[in-house]
Amino acid sequence: GQSLEQPSEVTAVEGAIVQINCTYQTSGFYGLSWYQQHDGGAPTFLSYNALDGLEETGRFSSFLSRSDSYGYLLLQELQMKDSASYFCATFNQAGTALIFGKGTTLSVSS
Amino acid sequence: GAVVSQHPSRVICKSGTSVKIECRSLDFQATTMFWYRQFPKQSLMLMATSNEGSKATYEQGVEKDKFLINHASLTLSTLTVTSAHPEDSSFYICSARDRRQGEIGELFFGEGSRLTVL
Repeated sequence: GQSLEQPSEVTAVEGAIVQINCTYQTSGFYGLSWYQQHDGGAPTFLSYNALDGLEETGRFSSFLSRSDSYGYLLLQELQMKDSASYFCATFNQAGTALIFGKGTTLSVSS
Repeated sequence: GAVVSQHPSRVICKSGTSVKIECRSLDFQATTMFWYRQFPKQSLMLMATSNEGSKATYEQGVEKDKFLINHASLTLSTLTVTSAHPEDSSFYICSARDRRQGEIGELFFGEGSRLTVL
């Protein structure tokens, strides 16, 4: 089956840069997505990588290496509002639905 | 982006009763919607894929008779938790993909429904 591994917690200070890693094991691969979820809220889409390399969207960037079954989310110029849970996700074996990693809780302090 | 609306946002019910949660795509048609369940501080667990006009596809370990899914129109899917028990208390979230826009791996989520069974 599909599985994704990511660290459970990460802490950082305002203005810093943090990288959240995700390794995956899949039968078939259709890309890696990243989502942000604040406490009690709905997940919101951050990025999607189908091919190797870095995708940049403002302060957030996402990287994928298919040969290493590895990706990461890079958050720059951290702000307090970035404190949230971050999930990597990929498609299930049938390629029909997203399954999520266990999530990384990011705590940003001043 | 596309908008998915979920109702109710919170519901409290007695053990043994049934609860229906609605998920609507407000500005696009969704032939497929996804239902997830999330316990506190845990991941989103895929429960089922809801297909318009046909039976839902349930993930392994999810009781189809307990979690009834109906997707009668291109904009509405419902999840009914039947004979709810305290262990069914959880955060239920629906999502859909807008095929007109966005990335393949981009889902739009409803606000979620927090179910508490007493």
